[in-house]
Amino acid sequence: NAGVTQTPKFQVLKTGQSMTLQCAQDMNHNSMYWYRQDPGMGLRLIYYSASEGTTDKGEVPNGYNVSRLNKREFSLRLESAAPSQTSVYFCASRRGPGSETQYFGPGTRLLVL
Amino acid sequence: AQTVTQSQPEMSVQEAETVTLSCTYDTSESDYYLFWYKQPPSRQMILVIRQEAYKQQNATENRFSVNFQKAAKSFSLKISDSQLGDAAMYFCAYRSPNYGGSQGNLIFGKGTKLSVKP
Repeated sequence: NAGVTQTPKFQVLKTGQSMTLQCAQDMNHNSMYWYRQDPGMGLRLIYYSASEGTTDKGEVPNGYNVSRLNKREFSLRLESAAPSQTSVYFCASRRGPGSETQYFGPGTRLLVL
Repeated sequence: AQTVTQSQPEMSVQEAETVTLSCTYDTSESDYYLFWYKQPPSRQMILVIRQEAYKQQNATENRFSVNFQKAAKSFSLKISDSQLGDAAMYFCAYRSPNYGGSQGNLIFGKGTKLSVKP
């Protein structure tokens, strides 16, 4: 049981390049989340998907898009990367209403030059 | 909007001693959930303990316990018999039960870096 997996683990991009961060969970969870973690800022919510087929903006959605491909997978896309998007990105999942705990993936470290 | 404040950017504790990490939060809701997550150098976010606001009893998990003061909006984490493996960043987080709006989103504090001295 892998839990929440993320790929890649580390990526370097040039300004203006695009890329997609992948996230998958094998716990049959309904809700999935994308966070970014910057030094001294804690984790901030970018986008979330309460259930398959729905997505909503979080606290810091600008410059990102998401796709809930199916119940297992939730991807985060940077269309035109900027240095301000250099961060560590975490995906998380939660079973759904009645379940309070989010489970996190190992993170993706992104460096935009 | 809800906020979470961790006023101690760094803390240090001697191995086998006890340390308490502070967390305060601001909310107008009466029912919510609070969490402590541990982030070791591997960066993996690990749930340490959680507390439901409607429960008066403080949560405990082995060496980890909380002091939940609802009226004061305080949620501190006590680590007893500290071990070298406890060295990590610790994040306090709040979650609203408002499924219609927040859908279970977590609001995190900025974290406390805990060092454990041998």
